[in-house]
Amino acid sequence: KQEVTQIPAALSVPEGENLVLNCSFTDSAIYNLQWFRQDPGKGLTSLLLIQSSQREQTSGRLNASLDKSSGRSTLYIAASQPGDSATYLCAVPNAGGTSYGKLTFGQGTILTVHP
Amino acid sequence: DGGITQSPKYLFRKEGQNVTLSCEQNLNHDAMYWYRQDPGQGLRLIYYSQIVNDFQKGDIAEGYSVSREKKESFPLTVTSAQKNPTAFYLCASSMDRPYQPQHFGDGTRLSIL
Repeated sequence: KQEVTQIPAALSVPEGENLVLNCSFTDSAIYNLQWFRQDPGKGLTSLLLIQSSQREQTSGRLNASLDKSSGRSTLYIAASQPGDSATYLCAVPNAGGTSYGKLTFGQGTILTVHP
Repeated sequence: DGGITQSPKYLFRKEGQNVTLSCEQNLNHDAMYWYRQDPGQGLRLIYYSQIVNDFQKGDIAEGYSVSREKKESFPLTVTSAQKNPTAFYLCASSMDRPYQPQHFGDGTRLSIL
């Protein structure tokens, strides 16, 4: 059974710092890995999706990497801003079975960026 | 604008009562999903549907029921058999193909009166 772990559980940094969020998964047979952002009391917003054949994906100040063989992904946030404060979740769909969208989620990293 | 609409935003359930959460999408997605989010536990899959008139149990289906009569709609009923229904419920949809991102609604918060 796939298990997804995110480290750290919480992170507090001053504005302007570059930071890295970690995600690891136990079963490397995945189609892709998706990073989400969740603001308090809201749904999830998709940030980046990395296909299993890709190593990196970038969007603005966000860069996500994927090392499928070691079961790891990192989300790099450059020049953090207070508006980046949120919970960040990673999720993977397993390659087995008939559904491409059954996601297994990590428990998330709660990020706080201080002005 | 395309998206996923969940209603109501807040819902209260009395003892022994069934309640239904609505989820509608206009993204023309094949697949729809219901997740439950509890503090400190991440999201867990309740039910999913890959096509109209078909759905499958997820990891925590007991005490819940769904229907998929239309492509756009995937309502979730929380039955009286669900003894701990207080949670944040999230609906999502995607194309049922590899490498397709999943999109989420804004959620419904269910509490017990």
